Amino acid sequence: RKEVEQDPGPFNVPEGATVAFNCTYSNSASQSFFWYRQDCRKEPKLLMSVYSSGNEDGRFTAQLNRASQYISLLIRDSKLSDSATYLCVVRLPNAGKSTFGDGTTLTVKP
Amino acid sequence: NAGVTQTPKFQVLKTGQSMTLQCAQDMNHEYMSWYRQDPGMGLRLIHYSVGAGITDQGEVPNGYNVSRSTTEDFPLRLLSAAPSQTSVYFCASSYTSGGAETQYFGPGTRLLVL
Repeated sequence: RKEVEQDPGPFNVPEGATVAFNCTYSNSASQSFFWYRQDCRKEPKLLMSVYSSGNEDGRFTAQLNRASQYISLLIRDSKLSDSATYLCVVRLPNAGKSTFGDGTTLTVKP
Repeated sequence: NAGVTQTPKFQVLKTGQSMTLQCAQDMNHEYMSWYRQDPGMGLRLIHYSVGAGITDQGEVPNGYNVSRSTTEDFPLRLLSAAPSQTSVYFCASSYTSGGAETQYFGPGTRLLVL
């Protein structure tokens, strides 16, 4: 079993749709959680950290369920510019290294 | 700040050749990492460092060496290139603050091994 697993996708949605991505992790000692965005052939960039209480940044909402070892990302009112691959990232405390999921590809269509 | 820089951007090697991928950061970050990304897959950790003089293996370390003699530089060496090492290589640096971490990536090196 992979340490971090994501919905395989791809997700194809119309503009304005709400879309949710899920991610599960296997190591219960994991401490830090993130969503990164990666555009085609570019480097990943941090979209948002995920906190236990859940957090929101504009149209994006991230949730963490430690009991179920589950992370989610909700995108409301999808824009064409949201088309990208979204990577779930998990980090152990003081480990100095991160584990990435394989990513979920989103295409927002007009 | 230039952030994280990587050279070269592209490289073609023949099987058996060796080379070094360069990575530098000017943000004084403690942590640096090397990842490879194969088509349709996420990033897999090759090696990482938690500070100058300290390195450790990641998920896929075989065929690669690293060193961290300074905070700024973290070169990745391919000892004897193989076609299976054809990939995009990303270097990243990061710091932690209050339990949160931000990881910054370089633009990547695209490597083709023939």
